[in-house]
Amino acid sequence: GAVVSQHPSRVICKSGTSVKIECRSLDFQATTMFWYRQFPKQSLMLMATSNEGSKATYEQGVEKDKFLINHASLTLSTLTVTSAHPEDSSFYICSARDYQKGNQPQHFGDGTRLSIL
Amino acid sequence: LAKTTQPISMDSYEGQEVNITCSHNNIATNDYITWYQQFPSQGPRFIIQGYKTKVTNEVASLFIPADRKSSTLSLPRVSLSDTAVYYCLVGDEGGGNKLTFGTGTQLKVEL
Repeated sequence: GAVVSQHPSRVICKSGTSVKIECRSLDFQATTMFWYRQFPKQSLMLMATSNEGSKATYEQGVEKDKFLINHASLTLSTLTVTSAHPEDSSFYICSARDYQKGNQPQHFGDGTRLSIL
Repeated sequence: LAKTTQPISMDSYEGQEVNITCSHNNIATNDYITWYQQFPSQGPRFIIQGYKTKVTNEVASLFIPADRKSSTLSLPRVSLSDTAVYYCLVGDEGGGNKLTFGTGTQLKVEL
């Protein structure tokens, strides 16, 4: 079945550091991937839609210069949290869908726990 | 995007059947209904998806009435390991539109 891999699973770094998170579709091509953020005891909040070969579409209130998204290939999207601060600490999750197979559900990565000291 | 409403939490015991109902009154014609399960510190895991009537797979059943304004996820004979948050989502999967997560239902299964 469709598998989405996320890396790294956990990051702990100092304030001001930029952190890159990778999201890969392992056995299918994904022209579109989605990035979510989840705070403790809360639901997933969509941050942006990553489009292969074009600019990402950001949700209202999400700073595009803060959360850089690159979708350079059909199997890889990256989210870079630039100059991260403690308030950026959260659980980041990506998802993708195999559009070539018609009506298919989205599959999610296992998430990246980001902790900014 | 169709908004969904679910109970915040449910409690059950091992071996019981659990039914979680989701309301989606403004579901669109092209929208599918998808349920996900999420454990702490993990990404959501796909459970089941349907458009109308009944869908069954090896882990759950999904009941959708004719008006499609609600759906019910049925988990037969739950175990402790089914303790998780369950999300009901509505979206145009065929078009690949983004999904909006609601609050989800925290299911707690006890002995």
